Amino acid sequence: EPEVTQTPSHQVTQMGQEVILRCVPISNHLYFYWYRQILGQKVEFLVSFYNNEISEKSEIFDDQFSVERPDGSNFTLKIRSTKLEDSAMYFCARGTADRTQPQHFGDGTRLSIL
Amino acid sequence: RKEVEQDPGPFNVPEGATVAFNCTYSNSASQSFFWYRQDCRKEPKLLMSVYSSGNEDGRFTAQLNRASQYISLLIRDSKLSDSATYLCVVNTNAGKSTFGDGTTLTVKP
Repeated sequence: EPEVTQTPSHQVTQMGQEVILRCVPISNHLYFYWYRQILGQKVEFLVSFYNNEISEKSEIFDDQFSVERPDGSNFTLKIRSTKLEDSAMYFCARGTADRTQPQHFGDGTRLSIL
Repeated sequence: RKEVEQDPGPFNVPEGATVAFNCTYSNSASQSFFWYRQDCRKEPKLLMSVYSSGNEDGRFTAQLNRASQYISLLIRDSKLSDSATYLCVVNTNAGKSTFGDGTTLTVKP
């Protein structure tokens, strides 16, 4: 059973629309990460989030993207004005205060932009 | 130069074979190192952490050479179920994980 649950498992959206991907940790973790994996390519870091603030973000994570933890439980990734190239698997991961420890990934959301 | 570079693969081996994967990383400030496996269209799953002293978990052995910035994974007596993509992952002290492109292994009967 995954430590992190992601919803939806598959999202199909028209180009230009906004999508919200959700991540629900099973226990009360404070460190979260979003990654994406375009089909056939490697896993790429998007953003890290600690204590309700972004702690680091990649070049990919531009103004089109935002993250928040609106209710203290769910951790969301919002993508505004989606483009075809946003089609990918999006993985949420949880970490711990000990940054040397491995991250554990949710089972991902497959985002398809038409 | 890629931050994390792995053997390009793919590796196709018979059951029972021993196979080794290599990985190099460019950031000398990297703090922690891991091997994950990823099955087709699934999430990365932690296989094992990698320590400077080397570590073993059953048929899997991982090695780290900080001076050479080199990581390896050895799989002995390979099983059909070992077929997957193996991901070399390097963490900075900020916790960000950088992934290699992955090396695909297919174990055949």
